[in-house]
Amino acid sequence: AQSVAQPEDQVNVAEGNPLTVKCTYSVSGNPYLFWYVQYPNRGLQFLLKYITGDNLVKGSYGFEAEFNKSQTSFHLKKPSALVSDSALYFCAVRDQQAGTALIFGKGTTLSVSS
Amino acid sequence: DSGVTQTPKHLITATGQRVTLRCSPRSGDLSVYWYQQSLDQGLQFLIQYYNGEERAKGNILERFSAQQFPDLHSELNLSSLELGDSALYFCASSTQGGGETQYFGPGTRLLVL
Repeated sequence: AQSVAQPEDQVNVAEGNPLTVKCTYSVSGNPYLFWYVQYPNRGLQFLLKYITGDNLVKGSYGFEAEFNKSQTSFHLKKPSALVSDSALYFCAVRDQQAGTALIFGKGTTLSVSS
Repeated sequence: DSGVTQTPKHLITATGQRVTLRCSPRSGDLSVYWYQQSLDQGLQFLIQYYNGEERAKGNILERFSAQQFPDLHSELNLSSLELGDSALYFCASSTQGGGETQYFGPGTRLLVL
């Protein structure tokens, strides 16, 4: 079965430090992978995606993610965290059996302290 | 602002009632998706329409139905509401699908009392 796992419910990091939010996936074939961010009482905002090509994907607000096929991972990273990055982050993979819908992980709350 | 609009923002209703949620996709997008976000189930795909036709179904209850109109806006109908239907309902749109990015609306928060 296809799935996405975000093993950490919460990640805490100090402002200015690098951050990593982890994501692993399980799909057959080549995955289409996405990261979204959700601020309180807001919809999901697209950050970046991996479809094919370079394993390092750069996205919005200074975020990037590294696709690792052997480890079936797609971790979200940022070199220097900001307090304003505090939010709920979702990893998603395209559901290959349901049109082009997305299967989401349970989300990881990122808390950046000043 | 993603360009996807949803109305209403909030909806409070009683068990057994029926409600309709509305979504207008981004200009030019042909695909509309509906997702439900709840504390216990997380974010779950409900249904997708593409240019007026149903394209895929996810974990959508039989009490729920949707349609996409010729102007491409979509409506999600929830009937015989139960307490457990209380959730945030998101609409997303994309140009076609596949690797295309889905852009999400702000959501409709439904509270069933």
